[in-house]
Amino acid sequence: DAGITQSPRHKVTETGTPVTLRCHQTENHRYMYWYRQDPGHGLRLIHYSYGVKDTDKGEVSDGYSVSRSKTEDFLLTLESATSSQTSVYFCAIKVGRLQETQYFGPGTRLLVL
Amino acid sequence: TQLLEQSPQFLSIQEGENLTVYCNSSSVFSSLQWYRQEPGEGPVLLVTVVTGGEVKKLKRLTFQFGDARKDSSLHITAAQPGDTGLYLCAGDDSEKTSYDKVIFGPGTSLSVIP
Repeated sequence: DAGITQSPRHKVTETGTPVTLRCHQTENHRYMYWYRQDPGHGLRLIHYSYGVKDTDKGEVSDGYSVSRSKTEDFLLTLESATSSQTSVYFCAIKVGRLQETQYFGPGTRLLVL
Repeated sequence: TQLLEQSPQFLSIQEGENLTVYCNSSSVFSSLQWYRQEPGEGPVLLVTVVTGGEVKKLKRLTFQFGDARKDSSLHITAAQPGDTGLYLCAGDDSEKTSYDKVIFGPGTSLSVIP
């Protein structure tokens, strides 16, 4: 357990509404990531952050934005939710020197109707 | 773009049996990781392999990194119901874009029947 929490854990929303997911860490790690997980696709990177106010896009960033105003919080916003954004969203942090060593939060299950 | 493939996609076995799952790519990775994910939870890191030909053991789990660093295998001896879960392999992007990036395979879903 690397002190990562996600909120909410479950959410149902309607198409066209904005949704914000929160990732919170307690250990001041620099790198944070947002992934989505869908059957047959594995985990795909949406956005990542390498410091406060420093963010960049991943491979599936369309329709998503992020913000990181504090080291401990990384927010993911679906600007206008679509049914294709129904998924399980995971936050992760990089721990230690090796960039590939990531620890994941418990996930947020999002259903867009 | 580097891709990772995993096989088999699904595996259902009886308790006590042995099994091997595979992670393959046409590209070279600097290192490769294996994660296990249980339903409703996030992936948990099991091991990182770095050197071509490396073998690591974690109790009943044996991980091997191919000599060419393009593939890896996970062997479980005497599987137990607690081994049930989704096994993901992941590799760091050796093409080194402007950001740190880990590429994940689609996973092997393992079910161990008591």
